[in-house]
Amino acid sequence: QSVLTQPPSVSGAPGQRVTISCTGGSSNIGAGYDVHWYQQLPGTAPKVLNQGNTNRPSGVPDRFSGSKSGTSASLAISGLQAEDEADYYCQSFDISLSGYVFGTGTKVTVL
Amino acid sequence: QITLKGSGPTLVKPTQTLTLTCTFSGFSLSTSGVGVGWIRQPPGKALQWLALIYWDDDKRYSPSLKSRLTITKDTSKNQVVLTMTNMDPVDTATYYCAHRNYRGSFDSWGQGTLVTVSS
Repeated sequence: QSVLTQPPSVSGAPGQRVTISCTGGSSNIGAGYDVHWYQQLPGTAPKVLNQGNTNRPSGVPDRFSGSKSGTSASLAISGLQAEDEADYYCQSFDISLSGYVFGTGTKVTVL
Repeated sequence: QITLKGSGPTLVKPTQTLTLTCTFSGFSLSTSGVGVGWIRQPPGKALQWLALIYWDDDKRYSPSLKSRLTITKDTSKNQVVLTMTNMDPVDTATYYCAHRNYRGSFDSWGQGTLVTVSS
């Protein structure tokens, strides 16, 4: 089972703001390791949305913003659009496992 | 532009060994901070990190699968190979290779290879 926990689903109307949480522990997020976020559209490979907690790769809309505090991190999507309907995953490094970890995944539904 | 392409069998029998090859371009696996990892995703389930090899040949494995995995690189061919022994139907998944950057994120992914384990 994953050491990073996300809510199974979140939903919102077009234009609204939604937030996805990623809860870890003292051996990963709490140990200071960066959190990265990925968007996975149906039938496609994941795409990095946010890396190093708050950094957006070029081409990613500024509607997507990441934050981190303590043993948790969050991805906020503002101005929700139909094209944002996808699965989202957080990812970090875990010193106890000496390896990388992904979150449990969150399905975002645009109502 | 970084590209990665995974290749390998789409069907393996239980107990067989799976060998997947990731062929990449647009970066060198000799560059400090760079790595290539393998991640899998069973149908309808979450991503699971499997293994990663760094530019300096350091290797990391998922603890739950470590005994079954081997990752190697051929820098001259721009390839990374993952082998997984004793395949089981629960290993049925799409297997992705991905470029790990200096920030520790996987910023470029291959297209994925669906591997089905069935007799």
